[in-house]
Amino acid sequence: AQSVTQLGSHVSVSEGALVLLRCNYSSSVPPYLFWYVQYPNQGLQLLLKYTTGATLVKGINGFEAEFKKSETSFHLTKPSAHMSDAAEYFCAVSEEGGNYQLIWGAGTKLIIKP
Amino acid sequence: GAGVSQSPSNKVTEKGKDVELRCDPISGHTALYWYRQSLGQGLEFLIYFQGNSAPDKSGLPSDRFSAERTGGSVSTLTIQRTQQEDSAVYLCASSLLQGSNQPQHFGDGTRLSIL
Repeated sequence: AQSVTQLGSHVSVSEGALVLLRCNYSSSVPPYLFWYVQYPNQGLQLLLKYTTGATLVKGINGFEAEFKKSETSFHLTKPSAHMSDAAEYFCAVSEEGGNYQLIWGAGTKLIIKP
Repeated sequence: GAGVSQSPSNKVTEKGKDVELRCDPISGHTALYWYRQSLGQGLEFLIYFQGNSAPDKSGLPSDRFSAERTGGSVSTLTIQRTQQEDSAVYLCASSLLQGSNQPQHFGDGTRLSIL
């Protein structure tokens, strides 16, 4: 069965520092992988997705993620954190040839210290 | 509007009352999803529509919950005889096509509080 693990319910970084949010998944077939961001009192917004092709995916707001099949990971990074990046981030996975369902991680709240 | 629209944005009601939550998906999106997000939690899948049909209702927590979609567009989620544990944010999402590689587009949710 598919599952998604996000390491760390809260991650705190200083403004200007590297952001690294971890996501590991389990899937028996090639996965489709997504990162979403949720700002306070808002819905979720797609940051980026991996379906096929290049394993390094660039998204909005300077974020990128790399699909590493051997590590079953899809970690989200940003070189330099900005105060506006403070939000909750969700990783999700679905399977090629599977049904519509996204399997969601529990989320990581990103805190930016001034 | 261009995005998924949900109404009301906030709803406060007394225990035992019925509530109806509305979702207006992006025009042309055939797939529609309802999720529940409790305070500090991830997303709990409730139900999925492809057109007006709901192939999967397995996530509905009890028979007090029901949902329908008409005209392949607007959907309503109804909770009967509300309980305090129903308090949560209810999120709706839509996608252009059914398919595991399709991103879902979310509304801002309805924050439901049961007194």
